[in-house]
Amino acid sequence: QSALTQPASVSGSPGQSITISCTGTSSDVGGYNYVSWYQQHPGKAPKLMIYDVSNRPSGVSNRFSGSKSGNTASLTISGLQAEDEADYYCSSYTNSSTLVFGGGTKLTVL
Amino acid sequence: EVQLLESGGGLVQPGGSLRLSCAASGFTFSSYTMTWVRQAPGKGLEWVSAISSSGGTTFYADSVKGRFTISRDNSKNTLYLQMSSLRAEDTALYYCAKGVLRYSQLWGQGTLVTVSS
Repeated sequence: QSALTQPASVSGSPGQSITISCTGTSSDVGGYNYVSWYQQHPGKAPKLMIYDVSNRPSGVSNRFSGSKSGNTASLTISGLQAEDEADYYCSSYTNSSTLVFGGGTKLTVL
Repeated sequence: EVQLLESGGGLVQPGGSLRLSCAASGFTFSSYTMTWVRQAPGKGLEWVSAISSSGGTTFYADSVKGRFTISRDNSKNTLYLQMSSLRAEDTALYYCAKGVLRYSQLWGQGTLVTVSS
């Protein structure tokens, strides 16, 4: 199972919005509404930010939102804040009953 | 407090074996699918294996199938990962995580496995 494709890096200024894409195939992203997004700060464990494409766990800011179109899912962060600077990973359920992660995107808040 | 605490990592020679443990507390362990995810130094996340709440169904990444075995003891609130025929590319921080197969709500802090001669 090949990793999902994410941009290596994105950046934005405080207050702006950014979007991170996550491209897979019809065997994973496109075939199921089971995409999730994780935030990972340096030296820390990943934190679930979005599950099932667009659902936010309790406690996650509504500045984070998710969507999907075809084989590509997206994470949008609005009103960028300094603490949003982190690595972000998408993952998807696959038709092999496994999970696959994206390569990760480093978000820099300028 | 809901917590996952991994242990058992260390330095092992290529071809060797290691068993990781993940002690859970603060939630009903037997109600959740548990997952192992690893992260090689400076690299991204890689899904490794998962096990259903009862332990009756297991799932593996192709990269570890036949070499790793996931199991759980619901009476001890503990998840395990038995790793054998270890390779240099298995070197990583291994996280255990709680949730469902398609996502994990809570992650431990990880245990480091280094495969080197």
